[in-house]
Amino acid sequence: GENVEQHPSTLSVQEGDSAVIKCTYSDSASNYFPWYKQELGKRPQLIIDIRSNVGEKKDQRIAVTLNKTAKHFSLHITETQPEDSAVYFCAASKRTGGGADGLTFGKGTHLIIQP
Amino acid sequence: GAVVSQHPSRVICKSGTSVKIECRSLDFQATTMFWYRQFPKQSLMLMATSNEGSKATYEQGVEKDKFLINHASLTLSTLTVTSAHPEDSSFYICSIAGGSYNEQFFGPGTRLTVL
Repeated sequence: GENVEQHPSTLSVQEGDSAVIKCTYSDSASNYFPWYKQELGKRPQLIIDIRSNVGEKKDQRIAVTLNKTAKHFSLHITETQPEDSAVYFCAASKRTGGGADGLTFGKGTHLIIQP
Repeated sequence: GAVVSQHPSRVICKSGTSVKIECRSLDFQATTMFWYRQFPKQSLMLMATSNEGSKATYEQGVEKDKFLINHASLTLSTLTVTSAHPEDSSFYICSIAGGSYNEQFFGPGTRLTVL
């Protein structure tokens, strides 16, 4: 089955600086890579996703890059703000003719924005 | 995206009792629903895939006789934790998949505490 590795487990950056979180996956058939932000006791909130036919996607301060050859994808947050502090999870899945698969999550990154 | 609800949001029970958690898709007919479990300070782990009108598919290491899943309609899947023990205390979250890729829409989660 799919295996997703995520680094770092904790990331502390100064407010206004950029933050980068990296993930690798093992199943070359995976074709959907979402990133979630989760606050304590709440459901994961999708912040950005990328599909395997695209190398990069950007939404305001957030961007995701995908390298299919190397099987890794990264989340980039620029101009970080205190409200960006949370736990972030990457995930991978595939959708085939047989239907949807569940998500395989990375272990998470606790992002701390220092004022 | 699709709207997913879960009931109850919190449940506390005694060891040895069974607990049923409902997951409802409010505006989307879901032939497939997913159940995840999240222990404190850990990632989400896929437990099983719930298929409407057929048996659920369980991930490796998840006991199908302990975690009973019923998906009797296109809008409702239930997870029953049978003979719950303290080690079953966790955050249980359901999701449905939509779209041409595997976008997933999460329920708000159910916090189970077994005393």
